[in-house]
Amino acid sequence: RKEVEQDPGPFNVPEGATVAFNCTYSNSASQSFFWYRQDCRKEPKLLMSVYSSGNEDGRFTAQLNRASQYISLLIRDSKLSDSATYLCVVKGNNNDMRFGAGTRLTVKP
Amino acid sequence: GAGVSQTPSNKVTEKGKYVELRCDPISGHTALYWYRQSLGQGPEFLIYFQGTGAADDSGLPNDRFFAVRPEGSVSTLKIQRTERGDSAVYLCASSLGGGETQYFGPGTRLLVL
Repeated sequence: RKEVEQDPGPFNVPEGATVAFNCTYSNSASQSFFWYRQDCRKEPKLLMSVYSSGNEDGRFTAQLNRASQYISLLIRDSKLSDSATYLCVVKGNNNDMRFGAGTRLTVKP
Repeated sequence: GAGVSQTPSNKVTEKGKYVELRCDPISGHTALYWYRQSLGQGPEFLIYFQGTGAADDSGLPNDRFFAVRPEGSVSTLKIQRTERGDSAVYLCASSLGGGETQYFGPGTRLLVL
């Protein structure tokens, strides 16, 4: 079993749609959680950290369920510019960072 | 300010050759990570340095792979006796401390023929 698993996608949604991505992790000792965004043939960039209480940044909402070892990312009012691959990242207790395979999103006009 | 830089940006080599990939982290960042990313996959963790020492090298696939960071800044990933399966994008990231936000370099695209 992979340490970090994500919805395989791809997700193809119209502009303005709401879309949700899920991620599960296997290491219950994981310390911190993140969502990164990666554009085609570019390096990953931090989108947002995920906090236990859930957090929101504009149209993006991230949630964490430690008991279920589950992380989610919700994007509201999708824009064309949101098209990218979204990577779920989990930090272990040794500061090692493990990435999921990514979920590809395409927002269409 | 300057971000993470990696050289070369592209490297084509023949099976069995030795390659070195270089990473220049953001100045002052003590943590440095190497990843390997194949098409359609997320970055695969290889090794993590805190300062000069490898804090976690559990991701190195075998003993053909080795990385150093002798002065706690620049790091070199070394691959001996390259195989076609080593072809991938090798990403480097640095962070202020371990587990902080990582800033990635543009990667080195390695192609082993």
